[in-house]
Amino acid sequence: GAGVSQSPRYKVAKRGQDVALRCDPISGHVSLFWYQQALGQGPEFLTYFQNEAQLDKSGLPSDRFFAERPEGSVSTLKIQRTQQEDSAVYLCASSSRRTLASQETQYFGPGTRLLVL
Amino acid sequence: KQEVTQIPAALSVPEGENLVLNCSFTDSAIYNLQWFRQDPGKGLTSLLLIQSSQREQTSGRLNASLDKSSGRSTLYIAASQPGDSATYLCAVPNNAGNMLTFGGGTRLMVKP
Repeated sequence: GAGVSQSPRYKVAKRGQDVALRCDPISGHVSLFWYQQALGQGPEFLTYFQNEAQLDKSGLPSDRFFAERPEGSVSTLKIQRTQQEDSAVYLCASSSRRTLASQETQYFGPGTRLLVL
Repeated sequence: KQEVTQIPAALSVPEGENLVLNCSFTDSAIYNLQWFRQDPGKGLTSLLLIQSSQREQTSGRLNASLDKSSGRSTLYIAASQPGDSATYLCAVPNNAGNMLTFGGGTRLMVKP
């Protein structure tokens, strides 16, 4: 079946512009995660959804970042008033389990590469 | 707070060599540890997942070991090939099991 898809794959934004990044998880997966990956570094956790509930948003760097998953499937990560330090790859992952304390892995999308000029 | 470190940050080897990638973590109370592969411009692909009760996992030419008490894991790649060139990341879940903490990755280049 189809894996996790993300759109757009690339986004160039002018500083101050708002952007919206979309994630389509694997069908039926209850858990959805967003990560931010700066150049040359490992991914860092942003937020976690279980179905439509956002259970952890401790990794969101500022109140300019907002994520939603209104129907428990597709998720959108929105960044308001983008700044240059927001330039990164934004990765989405999904899992069929409610916890990562299991043998079930997360399945990652290809990411959206955001460049803020 | 869990911290995950990977050494070396980059590695270049000739084809055919056996190699070891290292991962260390500060909090040994982990459920499992995963090794991922990331190709340029691509997402992460899970290679091996070791449960906390296991000592190692094998898949083809890959072997991952886990020593919880010392906070270490190694990924062994046998008979490396140019197609193995990628970034390798290790990651552990937090206590709530709702996020992964990643190391910085090892960028591997295998030269023909």
